[in-house]
Amino acid sequence: DTEVTQTPKHLVMGMTNKKSLKCEQHMGHRAMYWYKQKAKKPPELMFVYSYEKLSINESVPSRFSPECPNSSLLNLHLHALQPEDSALYLCASSQGLAGGPSWIADTQYFGPGTRLTVL
Amino acid sequence: AQKITQTQPGMFVQEKEAVTLDCTYDTSDPSYGLFWYKQPSSGEMIFLIYQGSYDQQNATEGRYSLNFQKARKSANLVISASQLGDSAMYFCAMREGNGGFKTIFGAGTRLFVKA
Repeated sequence: DTEVTQTPKHLVMGMTNKKSLKCEQHMGHRAMYWYKQKAKKPPELMFVYSYEKLSINESVPSRFSPECPNSSLLNLHLHALQPEDSALYLCASSQGLAGGPSWIADTQYFGPGTRLTVL
Repeated sequence: AQKITQTQPGMFVQEKEAVTLDCTYDTSDPSYGLFWYKQPSSGEMIFLIYQGSYDQQNATEGRYSLNFQKARKSANLVISASQLGDSAMYFCAMREGNGGFKTIFGAGTRLFVKA
Protein backbone atom coordinates (compact mmCIF):
# COMPACT_ATOMS: atom_id res chain seq x y z
CA ASP A 1 0.00 0.00 0.00
CA THR A 2 1.54 3.31 -1.12
CA GLU A 3 -1.29 5.59 -0.08
CA VAL A 4 -0.88 9.10 1.23
CA THR A 5 -4.11 10.87 2.07
CA GLN A 6 -4.73 14.60 2.20
CA THR A 7 -7.66 16.62 3.46
CA PRO A 8 -9.41 18.70 2.39
CA LYS A 9 -9.35 18.24 -1.38
CA HIS A 10 -10.34 21.84 -1.97
CA LEU A 11 -10.11 24.88 0.30
CA VAL A 12 -11.22 28.44 -0.24
CA MET A 13 -10.18 30.94 2.41
CA GLY A 14 -10.03 34.64 2.97
CA MET A 15 -6.82 36.47 3.79
CA THR A 16 -7.77 36.78 7.47
CA ASN A 17 -8.75 33.15 7.95
CA LYS A 18 -6.84 30.41 9.77
CA LYS A 19 -7.04 26.95 8.29
CA SER A 20 -5.05 23.71 8.30
CA LEU A 21 -4.14 21.10 5.72
CA LYS A 22 -3.76 17.53 6.86
CA CYS A 23 -1.67 14.68 5.49
CA GLU A 24 -1.54 11.07 6.66
CA GLN A 25 0.42 7.97 5.73
CA HIS A 26 0.54 4.49 7.21
CA MET A 27 3.50 3.08 5.32
CA GLY A 28 5.91 3.46 8.22
CA HIS A 29 7.74 6.19 6.36
CA ARG A 30 9.91 8.46 8.48
CA ALA A 31 10.25 11.42 6.12
CA MET A 32 7.33 13.66 5.17
CA TYR A 33 7.27 16.62 2.82
CA TRP A 34 5.14 19.63 1.87
CA TYR A 35 5.32 20.96 -1.67
CA LYS A 36 3.63 23.91 -3.33
CA GLN A 37 2.77 23.65 -7.01
CA LYS A 38 1.56 26.44 -9.24
CA ALA A 39 -0.22 25.65 -12.50
CA LYS A 40 2.01 24.19 -15.23
CA LYS A 41 5.07 24.27 -12.95
CA PRO A 42 6.96 21.54 -11.10
CA PRO A 43 6.44 21.14 -7.36
CA GLU A 44 8.51 23.41 -5.09
CA LEU A 45 9.73 22.00 -1.81
CA MET A 46 8.52 23.85 1.28
CA PHE A 47 9.30 21.68 4.32
CA VAL A 48 10.73 18.28 5.17
CA TYR A 49 10.28 16.40 8.41
CA SER A 50 12.60 13.53 9.24
CA TYR A 51 11.76 11.36 12.23
CA GLU A 52 9.23 14.01 13.28
CA LYS A 53 11.82 16.78 13.37
CA LEU A 54 11.89 19.67 10.94
CA SER A 55 14.82 19.00 8.63
CA ILE A 56 14.32 21.51 5.83
CA ASN A 57 12.51 24.84 5.68
CA GLU A 58 12.99 26.35 2.25
CA SER A 59 12.69 29.95 3.46
CA VAL A 60 8.93 29.66 3.53
CA PRO A 61 7.03 32.72 4.90
CA SER A 62 5.90 32.35 8.49
CA ARG A 63 2.24 32.46 7.45
CA PHE A 64 2.82 28.77 6.67
CA SER A 65 3.48 26.74 9.80
CA PRO A 66 4.17 23.01 9.57
CA GLU A 67 3.58 20.51 12.33
CA CYS A 68 4.37 16.80 12.63
CA PRO A 69 2.42 15.47 15.64
CA ASN A 70 3.53 11.88 15.05
CA SER A 71 5.24 9.72 12.46
CA SER A 72 2.03 9.27 10.43
CA LEU A 73 0.66 12.80 10.43
CA LEU A 74 1.75 16.06 8.90
CA ASN A 75 -0.15 19.31 9.15
CA LEU A 76 0.28 22.66 7.46
CA HIS A 77 -1.28 25.57 9.34
CA LEU A 78 -2.24 28.56 7.26
CA HIS A 79 -2.76 32.09 8.53
CA ALA A 80 -3.04 35.48 6.83
CA LEU A 81 -2.35 34.08 3.40
CA GLN A 82 -2.08 36.15 0.26
CA PRO A 83 -3.84 35.54 -3.08
CA GLU A 84 -0.49 34.50 -4.59
CA ASP A 85 -0.44 31.57 -2.16
CA SER A 86 -3.25 30.00 -4.17
CA ALA A 87 -1.83 26.72 -5.48
CA LEU A 88 -1.94 22.94 -5.24
CA TYR A 89 -0.34 21.79 -2.00
CA LEU A 90 1.11 18.32 -2.17
CA CYS A 91 2.20 16.13 0.69
CA ALA A 92 4.64 13.28 0.16
CA SER A 93 6.34 10.65 2.26
CA SER A 94 9.38 8.43 1.85
CA GLN A 95 11.14 5.82 3.90
CA GLY A 96 13.65 8.44 4.98
CA LEU A 97 16.65 6.23 4.33
CA ALA A 98 19.70 8.14 5.42
CA GLY A 99 23.15 7.68 4.05
CA GLY A 100 24.59 5.01 1.80
CA PRO A 101 23.57 4.00 -1.71
CA SER A 102 19.93 3.46 -0.66
CA TRP A 103 19.57 7.17 -0.03
CA ILE A 104 19.31 8.02 -3.69
CA ALA A 105 16.52 5.46 -4.10
CA ASP A 106 14.35 6.99 -1.37
CA THR A 107 11.19 7.26 -3.45
CA GLN A 108 8.60 9.83 -2.50
CA TYR A 109 4.93 8.90 -2.65
CA PHE A 110 2.54 11.78 -3.04
CA GLY A 111 -0.97 12.44 -1.85
CA PRO A 112 -3.75 13.75 -4.12
CA GLY A 113 -3.13 17.34 -3.04
CA THR A 114 -5.23 20.19 -1.68
CA ARG A 115 -6.27 22.90 -4.13
CA LEU A 116 -6.11 26.13 -2.16
CA THR A 117 -7.72 29.36 -3.28
CA VAL A 118 -7.07 32.52 -1.28
CA LEU A 119 -9.53 35.33 -1.88
CA ALA B 1 22.29 25.97 -14.42
CA GLN B 2 19.34 23.65 -14.88
CA LYS B 3 19.98 20.33 -13.23
CA ILE B 4 17.08 18.56 -14.91
CA THR B 5 16.07 19.55 -18.42
CA GLN B 6 12.94 18.41 -20.19
CA THR B 7 12.99 20.04 -23.59
CA GLN B 8 9.54 18.96 -24.78
CA PRO B 9 6.81 21.14 -23.28
CA GLY B 10 4.15 19.12 -25.11
CA MET B 11 4.01 15.84 -27.01
CA PHE B 12 1.31 14.11 -29.04
CA VAL B 13 1.15 10.35 -29.59
CA GLN B 14 -1.38 8.11 -31.27
CA GLU B 15 -3.08 5.55 -29.09
CA LYS B 16 -1.25 2.18 -29.06
CA GLU B 17 2.00 3.70 -30.28
CA ALA B 18 5.19 4.11 -28.25
CA VAL B 19 6.45 7.51 -27.12
CA THR B 20 9.74 8.75 -25.67
CA LEU B 21 9.88 11.64 -23.22
CA ASP B 22 13.31 13.23 -22.97
CA CYS B 23 15.20 14.08 -19.81
CA THR B 24 18.78 15.21 -19.40
CA TYR B 25 20.43 15.91 -16.09
CA ASP B 26 23.52 17.59 -14.75
CA THR B 27 25.34 16.55 -11.62
CA SER B 28 28.90 16.07 -10.42
CA ASP B 29 27.78 13.68 -7.70
CA PRO B 30 28.67 10.10 -8.72
CA SER B 31 25.75 8.81 -6.69
CA TYR B 32 22.28 9.86 -7.80
CA GLY B 33 18.83 8.49 -8.47
CA LEU B 34 16.49 9.40 -11.29
CA PHE B 35 12.71 9.26 -11.05
CA TRP B 36 9.76 9.73 -13.34
CA TYR B 37 6.39 10.87 -12.06
CA LYS B 38 3.04 11.18 -13.83
CA GLN B 39 0.60 13.91 -12.87
CA PRO B 40 -2.91 13.66 -14.33
CA SER B 41 -5.19 16.69 -14.30
CA SER B 42 -6.54 15.50 -10.94
CA GLY B 43 -3.23 16.62 -9.40
CA GLU B 44 -1.77 13.54 -7.76
CA MET B 45 1.89 12.82 -8.54
CA ILE B 46 2.21 9.13 -9.35
CA PHE B 47 5.61 7.44 -9.11
CA LEU B 48 6.38 5.49 -12.28
CA ILE B 49 9.96 4.31 -12.38
CA TYR B 50 13.38 4.68 -10.77
CA GLN B 51 16.95 4.34 -12.05
CA GLY B 52 20.06 4.50 -9.87
CA SER B 53 23.37 5.82 -11.14
CA TYR B 54 25.06 2.52 -10.34
CA ASP B 55 22.40 0.35 -11.95
CA GLN B 56 23.78 -1.63 -14.88
CA GLN B 57 20.42 -2.46 -16.42
CA ASN B 58 17.79 -0.03 -17.66
CA ALA B 59 14.77 0.03 -15.36
CA THR B 60 11.45 -1.33 -16.56
CA GLU B 61 7.99 -1.28 -14.94
CA GLY B 62 5.21 -2.70 -17.07
CA ARG B 63 4.72 -0.40 -20.08
CA TYR B 64 7.32 2.03 -18.75
CA SER B 65 11.02 1.72 -19.40
CA LEU B 66 13.87 4.08 -18.80
CA ASN B 67 16.52 4.54 -21.47
CA PHE B 68 19.47 5.40 -19.25
CA GLN B 69 22.56 6.69 -21.03
CA LYS B 70 24.97 7.66 -18.29
CA ALA B 71 27.70 9.10 -20.47
CA ARG B 72 25.20 11.39 -22.18
CA LYS B 73 23.47 12.15 -18.85
CA SER B 74 20.10 11.28 -20.22
CA ALA B 75 17.24 9.29 -18.70
CA ASN B 76 14.44 9.16 -21.22
CA LEU B 77 11.10 7.59 -20.37
CA VAL B 78 9.63 5.22 -22.94
CA ILE B 79 5.93 4.44 -22.75
CA SER B 80 4.92 1.52 -24.93
CA ALA B 81 1.41 0.95 -26.32
CA SER B 82 0.08 4.35 -25.26
CA GLN B 83 -3.39 4.52 -23.75
CA LEU B 84 -5.80 7.44 -23.47
CA GLY B 85 -5.24 7.37 -19.72
CA ASP B 86 -1.57 8.17 -20.27
CA SER B 87 -2.49 11.75 -21.11
CA ALA B 88 -0.90 13.72 -18.29
CA MET B 89 2.08 15.82 -17.24
CA TYR B 90 5.28 13.85 -16.78
CA PHE B 91 8.11 15.02 -14.53
CA CYS B 92 11.68 13.78 -14.50
CA ALA B 93 13.39 14.19 -11.13
CA MET B 94 16.75 13.55 -9.50
CA ARG B 95 18.02 12.97 -6.01
CA GLU B 96 21.74 13.43 -5.46
CA GLY B 97 23.72 11.48 -2.90
CA ASN B 98 24.90 14.71 -1.29
CA GLY B 99 21.61 16.50 -1.77
CA GLY B 100 19.90 15.40 1.41
CA PHE B 101 16.13 15.24 1.21
CA LYS B 102 15.90 17.51 -1.81
CA THR B 103 14.55 16.18 -5.09
CA ILE B 104 15.14 18.28 -8.18
CA PHE B 105 12.29 18.31 -10.68
CA GLY B 106 12.33 19.16 -14.35
CA ALA B 107 9.80 21.52 -15.90
CA GLY B 108 7.68 18.65 -17.14
CA THR B 109 6.31 17.40 -20.45
CA ARG B 110 2.60 17.39 -21.21
CA LEU B 111 1.65 14.22 -23.11
CA PHE B 112 -1.53 14.06 -25.18
CA VAL B 113 -2.69 10.64 -26.40
CA LYS B 114 -4.95 10.78 -29.45
CA ALA B 115 -7.62 8.19 -30.15
